[in-house]
Amino acid sequence: EVHLEESGGGLVQPGRSLRLSCVASGFSFHESGMHWVRQRPGKGLEWVSSINRHSDTIYYADSVKGRFTISRDNAKNSLYLQMNSLTTEDTALYYCAKERDFDFSMDVWGQGTSVTVSS
Amino acid sequence: DIVMTQSPDSLAVSLGERATINCKSSQSVLYTASRKSFLAWYQQKPGQPPKLLIYWASTRESGVPDRFSGSGSGTEFTLAIDNLQAEDVASYYCQQYYNPPYTFGQGTKLEIK
Repeated sequence: EVHLEESGGGLVQPGRSLRLSCVASGFSFHESGMHWVRQRPGKGLEWVSSINRHSDTIYYADSVKGRFTISRDNAKNSLYLQMNSLTTEDTALYYCAKERDFDFSMDVWGQGTSVTVSS
Repeated sequence: DIVMTQSPDSLAVSLGERATINCKSSQSVLYTASRKSFLAWYQQKPGQPPKLLIYWASTRESGVPDRFSGSGSGTEFTLAIDNLQAEDVASYYCQQYYNPPYTFGQGTKLEIK
């Protein structure tokens, strides 16, 4: 069964850092592009970042550029999101998602990990 | 950035009737070489992650009931849900994946009338 499981969320003070992880199973992780998408409480979906299978094509939303870093370890079937200089605007449920083969839509999603930025 | 605008923000439809959600992009998401629009529709039920319904604007994802259909090309798109069922109550989002940032629409909340 194809599965994504996020972890690493929690309560953090403004200005601090947090690293999210996403472990994949049930598919060839090393062959799939991956994304992070977040959802602020009661709000819609916001695409955050993406990384291709070789880690040589990476994109970020303007709202996180320069503060967040996406990475992956194909040997560990794992995706990461390093989040620095966090603000209250980063409070959200963070989902990792797998790209569908041959396009960039997202066909598999994790359950999400919650990040709360508050003093 | 490509701005995605959905309409309406919410709608209430009777069971068995048809629901229609529109999505407009601020620029074309049609990839001319393949003649495919890089537009997806997702369904999100309360407390659940999003689920891919439609990709390339009109191709149903495997396992999605044929009551769900997508149409449109270029900048204007529609998600239609025929014979509305109680389990279709959810928020629906369009997303362009033509150019990063891969922006979503603001969402449409579908309820039963």
